[in-house]
Amino acid sequence: GQQVMQIPQYQHVQEGEDFTTYCNSSTTLSNIQWYKQRPGGHPVFLIQLVKSGEVKKQKRLTFQFGEAKKNSSLHITATQTTDVGTYFCARDSGYALNFGKGTSLLVTP
Amino acid sequence: EAQVTQNPRYLITVTGKKLTVTCSQNMNHEYMSWYRQDPGLGLRQIYYSMNVEVTDKGDVPEGYKVSRKEKRNFPLILESPSPNQTSLYFCASSPAVQGVGYGYTFGSGTRLTVV
Repeated sequence: GQQVMQIPQYQHVQEGEDFTTYCNSSTTLSNIQWYKQRPGGHPVFLIQLVKSGEVKKQKRLTFQFGEAKKNSSLHITATQTTDVGTYFCARDSGYALNFGKGTSLLVTP
Repeated sequence: EAQVTQNPRYLITVTGKKLTVTCSQNMNHEYMSWYRQDPGLGLRQIYYSMNVEVTDKGDVPEGYKVSRKEKRNFPLILESPSPNQTSLYFCASSPAVQGVGYGYTFGSGTRLTVV
């Protein structure tokens, strides 16, 4: 399946700093999903975005879907050590989720 | 508790020895899928199932088999494992075929080593 591209691959921040990961597609997306995987854990569903220009918030996390539905972003305000993990975006291709390779976030206290 | 249960969590086996990784969900989900996760390659789909007796190949199906005889179970079978199948495997389920409005629920993973 066609993948989505995520940048950056890694991000190391000090606790309290903000963090953003970007997800890009060469084709229009019907929807985009975001997952978090803690070290040694399994992916956990965070949210799904469907509408063009959609913005959703979950506490310190803000998710956006681009106007053209070809890109998405996840922004974390004032990171905490509990935010450590890998964040994946995934496109719904109909019968599968095709995952980006993820952005690994390391937060130093 | 709603969950996807995989067994075993860890497995070391030898080349050519048939093995089965079990996956069971208690959420009455129609859709189930298997992924493997490898460093640098991310999560790649092996097989999926839209419902009982309906299965199809994902992106990397070679060397794997699946079956869906019951709604809750979706075992992954490696008939003749090879070292390149050493990986972290995840089973996932979703209530809708196309996942619209629904995320996937993942199992805790099976770390397989083939020597």
